[in-house]
Amino acid sequence: KNEVEQSPQNLTAQEGEFITINCSYSVGISALHWLQQHPGGGIVSLFMLSSGKKKHGRLIATINIQEKHSSLHITASHPRDSAVYICAALSNTGNQFYFGTGTSLTVIP
Amino acid sequence: NAGVMQNPRHLVRRRGQEARLRCSPMKGHSHVYWYRQLPEEGLKFMVYLQKENIIDESGMPKERFSAEFPKEGPSILRIQQVVRGDSAAYFCASSPFGGDTQYFGPGTRLTVL
Repeated sequence: KNEVEQSPQNLTAQEGEFITINCSYSVGISALHWLQQHPGGGIVSLFMLSSGKKKHGRLIATINIQEKHSSLHITASHPRDSAVYICAALSNTGNQFYFGTGTSLTVIP
Repeated sequence: NAGVMQNPRHLVRRRGQEARLRCSPMKGHSHVYWYRQLPEEGLKFMVYLQKENIIDESGMPKERFSAEFPKEGPSILRIQQVVRGDSAAYFCASSPFGGDTQYFGPGTRLTVL
């Protein structure tokens, strides 16, 4: 069993829809990251969370430490949001990430 | 401030050759992490280094793989006697402190023929 589980694995949405990607983890963490990987392969860190909620533009990330669960929300989705979104839990030691397998999002115009 | 740089971006090697992947962290960052992404799989941690020290190499294969981060110059991930299963994208990330936000490089895509 992976330390980090993401769902759904694949997601197709119509432009404008509200999108939620979920992440559950089973290890002790110091922080949780949401990463975005575009088809070209580059990886961008969207959020680093250790508690509560963060918002950046149309993106919102939340984390519930007690339930070991995080969500990434995209409001008013756009085709340019199409990418793979990866949940990454930073270990308590801060030494390494445990990665989810990613959610492949396609937003159709 | 330039981002994390990796070179080469693409590397082709024949079985049995050596592959050297370079990572220059962001200016002021002394912590470097290497990750591997196999085709159709997720990212996996390989090794965490600080200047001149390996902090955690629990994700490194026991043979053929080594990493260093010298006092001067980039971090190097070295794969000796490459095999087809080593074909993957190798990403490096850096941070100013351990446990801080990591900034990813563009990756090196290794193809072993």
